[in-house]
Amino acid sequence: AQTVTQSQPEMSVQEAETVTLSCTYDTSENNYYLFWYKQPPSRQMILVIRQEAYKQQNATENRFSVNFQKAAKSFSLKISDSQLGDTAMYFCAFMKHSPGTYKYIFGTGTRLKVLA
Amino acid sequence: DTEVTQTPKHLVMGMTNKKSLKCEQHMGHRAMYWYKQKAKKPPELMFVYSYEKLSINESVPSRFSPECPNSSLLNLHLHALQPEDSALYLCASSQGGGANYGYTFGSGTRLTVV
Repeated sequence: AQTVTQSQPEMSVQEAETVTLSCTYDTSENNYYLFWYKQPPSRQMILVIRQEAYKQQNATENRFSVNFQKAAKSFSLKISDSQLGDTAMYFCAFMKHSPGTYKYIFGTGTRLKVLA
Repeated sequence: DTEVTQTPKHLVMGMTNKKSLKCEQHMGHRAMYWYKQKAKKPPELMFVYSYEKLSINESVPSRFSPECPNSSLLNLHLHALQPEDSALYLCASSQGGGANYGYTFGSGTRLTVV
């Protein structure tokens, strides 16, 4: 069975600085997908970034980038130039690569607060 | 249209009431989901509809009854709920055939059972 671990329940960062959220996972699968979702106080979960395990290149979306270490089963999220609007709960998620797979395994989340 | 719309945003219901949650998307996504989320916890999958057929039921009690009238609509019928069912109920959708491109979530219905 797959598991996803987010070891930092809460973090804070000063506005304009960089912060890294950690995520590790355990799986025997070789092909899978990894995601970071953001859930601000407005409640809506928003997909931040997605990584396909068979791609070595780390995914990047504007100020958000990942450090994907497949051998170490690590998938950390780096937020550069942090903004107040980045304050949210961040969930890491795993999904195995299999046709018709719909279920994610979510981590327990990291609450990030960006300080003015 | 890139949204998943959920109504109502808030709902308070008694344990003997019957109510329904509604979810709608017009992105052409062929998979739709109901998740339950307790405060400060990750969402927990309840049901998945794929091409309008129920494909996953995560052993959810029968007091929750999902319905997918068409490819754009998803309902969750509630009956005889318990106070512990109070939670945020999130609807999501994804392209058909799997969720490898990610979910699009609605902003949820905050349900309180009294």
